[in-house]
Amino acid sequence: LAKTTQPISMDSYEGQEVNITCSHNNIATNDYITWYQQFPSQGPRFIIQGYKTKVTNEVASLFIPADRKSSTLSLPRVSLSDTAVYYCLGQTRGFKTIFGAGTRLFVKA
Amino acid sequence: DTGVSQNPRHKITKRGQNVTFRCDPISEHNRLYWYRQTLGQGPEFLTYFQNEAQLEKSRLLSDRFSAERPKGSFSTLEIQRTEQGDSAMYLCASSYPGQTSTDTQYFGPGTRLTVL
Repeated sequence: LAKTTQPISMDSYEGQEVNITCSHNNIATNDYITWYQQFPSQGPRFIIQGYKTKVTNEVASLFIPADRKSSTLSLPRVSLSDTAVYYCLGQTRGFKTIFGAGTRLFVKA
Repeated sequence: DTGVSQNPRHKITKRGQNVTFRCDPISEHNRLYWYRQTLGQGPEFLTYFQNEAQLEKSRLLSDRFSAERPKGSFSTLEIQRTEQGDSAMYLCASSYPGQTSTDTQYFGPGTRLTVL
């Protein structure tokens, strides 16, 4: 199983760019890296997914280097409402999804 | 698309009682997942259905837990003889097979179980 490691928590201020890095040293060739966001008392919400290089959507960017042993979620100009837990997932072949403890991002005014 | 719904949202029960939770996935999604989440931890995978077939079960799913998806639409998760350690948020997610090797899972709001 692809195990991921990410910081337990991060603090930021409104308007700043936030980068959360995730390590996944044993990622399999066919695995994709997926990031989810979770607010208190809600289910996780899909943010972005990628295989390699860079992926960008209206919410975030995902950078995956050539060796794919890590990835970085980039949130541009965060606001207070971006305070949440962010999960990096390394999925095995098939459909089991392994969540780690996630990174708790706290955005301050 | 009304999203994944779960009922009830909250359940308080006494130790030893049986409880049942329901999940209604997004209508065109044929894959359905159950997770359990305790405070400060990420969701833990419990089981997965493709249509009505239960294809994978975690060792976390003890004999007291059973999940069904009889017609390939909604699913139920039953916990028999509840224990205080069963207190958690139970999350349901659904997905549709995509082009990649992983599915984008859409989560419901969860059912919070408290066992007294």
